[in-house]
Parts: sequence; C-alpha cells; structure tokens
Amino acid sequence: DTGVSQNPRHKITKRGQNVTFRCDPISEHNRLYWYRQTLGQGPEFLTYFQNEAQLEKSRLLSDRFSAERPKGSFSTLEIQRTEQGDSAMYLCASSLGGARGLTEAFFGQGTRLTVV
Amino acid sequence: QKEVEQDPGPLSVPEGAIVSLNCTYSNSAFQYFMWYRQYSRKGPELLMYTYSSGNKEDGRFTAQVDKSSKYISLFIRDSQPSDSATYLCAMTSGTASKLTFGTGTRLQVTL
Repeated sequence: DTGVSQNPRHKITKRGQNVTFRCDPISEHNRLYWYRQTLGQGPEFLTYFQNEAQLEKSRLLSDRFSAERPKGSFSTLEIQRTEQGDSAMYLCASSLGGARGLTEAFFGQGTRLTVV
Repeated sequence: QKEVEQDPGPLSVPEGAIVSLNCTYSNSAFQYFMWYRQYSRKGPELLMYTYSSGNKEDGRFTAQVDKSSKYISLFIRDSQPSDSATYLCAMTSGTASKLTFGTGTRLQVTL
C-alpha cells in the first residue's frame, strides 16, 4: 500500500453539474476524513468516517454534499448542483483509531475542482 | 478570530539558514500538535507531531510547544532549496475527530 489515493486529480465542471470524487485510504486505517482547502488557506474539516459510519459532519457540508464509505473501505464525496464557490482542493486523509490516531493522519494528493 | 493563527508569509531565507515557523492558538483543549509540509498542488505531508508541551527533534527539524503561551514552533536547521514549500500547523484535542489547521506559511529557500 503506497498511501492514500484520490481520483480524479483534477476535475473541471460546469456550474450546476454533479461531481463525484473517490478516496482509497491506507488499507489498515479505519478512520477516513474529508477536508476542503481553498487558495491561501489551510484545510478545513468536512466530514469523518469510522469504518462505514459517518460520525461527524461540518457545517461547511451543505445539503448539496454527500459522502459515503460503503463497507468501510473506499469513500466517495459527491457535490450536487455545483457552484463556483465549490472550487477548491478536496483532500482525503486516513488514520488509525484511538486518541492518537489523528497524530498520524496521512493525506492524499487531493482532487482539484474547478467550477466554470 | 480563528482558533489557530499562522503568518502566511512568504518567508524568504538563504540556503543554510535556520528557519523559525510559528503558530498561536486559542483553544486550551488542544493537546496534540502537528506540522505538515505541502508542496504546490500536492497534499499535506506529515513531518512530525508533539504531545503537550516540550520539544521534539527529527533530523533537521525541531518542534516546540509552549502550552502556557499557546504557542508552537517548528525550526528547520541548515535549510535547503528543497524545503521550499508551505508549512501548515495542525492541532487537536485527545477526543476530537478532526484537525484544526493554520493558514500555512509559505517558505522560500534561495540559493
């Protein structure tokens, strides 16, 4: 396993279209996170899974956003009816569980979304 | 006011210099402090983490945490052009399920 894998790396879409991103975590990691990063800012938390259960969602995650992690393996993040403000880098991370899990969270290379 | 404040830079230093990168925070519940390095258009790469107050060294990198001042630092010795990147601090409590990041400091090491 070479780390967290995200696909696609880049996505350009027209406003109003739906997009879906995929994240494959490190295989032994039971926690998976989605973050969003805009230019000049640090990553902002969107949502978090422990195995297949989505345990926390940020207020940033509007009802146009949905994330799934079927069977506790890969995860998908879907954005419906995209808006220009959705343009950002979407980052996925994974870690082991426990109190110290987040101290060794590993990020993927991200999916850069551009909404035109 | 943001929970984590970090000077965005850019910070430009000559090769071989000692670099000091800093973050301040307001949430006293934060117990774990991480530093990530992010190259342009790439994902963040974990450099090191520190638990509570104290120092931690890893090669050319030293992380310091002063919880009484709510202030953390990353020092890079003998800086190299390959260190040119954005450095992000991140922190979490022992019970939270997310990392809170600073905005990142862009570092440029010149020849």
